[in-house]
Amino acid sequence: QTVVTQEPSFSVSPGGTVTLTCGLTSGSVSTYYYPSWYQQTPGQAPRTLIYNTNTRSSGVPDRFSGSILGNKAALTITGAQAVDESDYYCVLYMGSGVSVFGGGTKLTVL
Amino acid sequence: QLQLQESGPGLVKPSETLSLTCTVSGGSFSSSSYYWGWVRQPPGKGLEWIGSIYYTGNTYYNPSLKSRLTMSVDTSKSQFSLSLTSMTAADTAVYSCARHMWSGYFFFDYWGQGALVTVSS
Repeated sequence: QTVVTQEPSFSVSPGGTVTLTCGLTSGSVSTYYYPSWYQQTPGQAPRTLIYNTNTRSSGVPDRFSGSILGNKAALTITGAQAVDESDYYCVLYMGSGVSVFGGGTKLTVL
Repeated sequence: QLQLQESGPGLVKPSETLSLTCTVSGGSFSSSSYYWGWVRQPPGKGLEWIGSIYYTGNTYYNPSLKSRLTMSVDTSKSQFSLSLTSMTAADTAVYSCARHMWSGYFFFDYWGQGALVTVSS
């Protein structure tokens, strides 16, 4: 069974740049997995950041960007702010109607 | 603005069946562009896709839950529902409904606030 992998945790300094990744235990992520990214703060519903690899959802600041880096999907935050301290999840479409969440990355901004 | 609201019991006994309903308001329920999905999150853990249903009743389920899961839709009420049988403590989670875009892209764009379901005797 293929699992979607994310870094469990990451740290970035205010104003810095951080890239979170979303991979597969078997195989490479491509645009055909339609990667999407979500931000979640404790007790809140997830917020959609990126879909279709690199399309920002409405109202999402342009410091958030999505891409494919090597064999993984990536979420880059350029100029991180304290408000970006959250959990980040990716979702991959595996085909046949099945979507899979990654385990999530806890981002600390300090 | 599209809104989704979960409703159902907050407490379920082990081995019993969970039934949850999501009511959609502020937008079209019967569109060719999207499905309606359920996602859950156990306390302190990550998100898990449960399944998604089209307004016609077509469904896709998480393979790990498929044997216990049934989803249904009531277009007259703009509602869709989840039924999960043989509940155990491992099913304790916040259950959220979401709009699942399905028009060439696949992603969740609107979310309910979530409903905590605890499995305990």
